[in-house]
Amino acid sequence: GIQVEQSPPDLILQEGANSTLRCNFSDSVNNLQWFHQNPWGQLINLFYIPSGTKQNGRLSATTVATERYSLLYISSSQTTDSGVYFCAVITQGGSEKLVFGKGTKLTVNP
Amino acid sequence: NAGVTQTPKFQVLKTGQSMTLQCAQDMNHEYMSWYRQDPGMGLRLIHYSVGAGITDQGEVPNGYNVSRSTTEDFPLRLLSAAPSQTSVYFCASSTAGAGNQPQHFGDGTRLSIL
Repeated sequence: GIQVEQSPPDLILQEGANSTLRCNFSDSVNNLQWFHQNPWGQLINLFYIPSGTKQNGRLSATTVATERYSLLYISSSQTTDSGVYFCAVITQGGSEKLVFGKGTKLTVNP
Repeated sequence: NAGVTQTPKFQVLKTGQSMTLQCAQDMNHEYMSWYRQDPGMGLRLIHYSVGAGITDQGEVPNGYNVSRSTTEDFPLRLLSAAPSQTSVYFCASSTAGAGNQPQHFGDGTRLSIL
């Protein structure tokens, strides 16, 4: 099956710093989503981004489907950005199975 | 609007016991799914449903049963709990399909099997 690799696995930042999280996938995908799991365990959908670039406040995401990767940018990080960031993909061919990467754990220190 | 509601939030079982994890959504979503989350493993798909009366297996279906008699509810059944099923379970839903719409997650059920 498809492999989804996220890097780095862990990231520690000082408040105000910028960061880039990467998601590589091994096969062609129909779609890609980014999620944030907060320290209380809640999962929030950040972006639904099969291709191109989207922005939402301090967060933006870019997916280059032809090169099989996606990037999540966090600017001016805040302590509330801490948590685990997951990307998840759907393979082409009509699959309804969302496959998650193992996540990047982000810690933002005050 | 409650979104996706999972019950219970916490549960401890003994090996061999059975139980049902409940998942309900009030958004009239067609697609519903169950995941388990283990340390260092991310989320893995257990079962999913594209509509009432239709279910299919995900990546790790063994030891779990599901049914979808209504659009709103998608219960997950453990028939004979095993310690390997200790995990955090998440239910998710979307308007149509897993990849065509954003997934909405419940708050999870933390399950321990002794």
